[in-house]
Amino acid sequence: DAKTTQPTSMDCAEGRAANLPCNHSTISGNEYVYWYRQIHSQGPQYIIHGLKNNETNEMASLIITEDRKSSTLILPHATLRDTAVYYCIVSGGGTSYGKLTFGQGTILTVHP
Amino acid sequence: DTAVSQTPKYLVTQMGNDKSIKCEQNLGHDTMYWYKQDSKKFLKIMFSYNNKELIINETVPNRFSPKSPDKAHLNLHINSLELGDSAVYFCASSPRQGAGTDTQYFGPGTRLTVL
Repeated sequence: DAKTTQPTSMDCAEGRAANLPCNHSTISGNEYVYWYRQIHSQGPQYIIHGLKNNETNEMASLIITEDRKSSTLILPHATLRDTAVYYCIVSGGGTSYGKLTFGQGTILTVHP
Repeated sequence: DTAVSQTPKYLVTQMGNDKSIKCEQNLGHDTMYWYKQDSKKFLKIMFSYNNKELIINETVPNRFSPKSPDKAHLNLHINSLELGDSAVYFCASSPRQGAGTDTQYFGPGTRLTVL
């Protein structure tokens, strides 16, 4: 699986957009970009995923660059409950289906 | 309704004991997983079952034995518990195996403490 690089931590003011970057320069053509988050002491929660096109759902938007070497997760109006560790994961290629490899993630702190 | 449930939530036991953690999902998913999150917060996959068949078996000591009686259940039995087994164990499930389907739904976790 391709590896990802994320900033260790980020801050965001409540009500503002939180933009979380992720680099995945070794991503292969059939690998998807997934975002999960883990709120303290809870199980990870799926947020969104995409292959090439930008994606949006009720939780967030995912912007993938044209060369697919990086992506950005956007939480449009961050709330205090969005404080969590956010994981960017590349998966789905070859025989690695289901084998999510979690890195250190980005600790997002939303403050009042 | 709870989608992925685990029991127990907390488990404290002595070294050398044998213990089991149970997982059930009511989402109708075909694939279930066990993950381990250690004290440094790294989350690593241990096992995956698809329709009761083992498909992922990472480098895990053979003291750990998963058992899937049906596709809605995946239990984890641990023999001869060691101090290093202390961690939070998460169960997860996903709809099916295949590209673009790594949308996994996680349980609340079982915090295992070995004394």
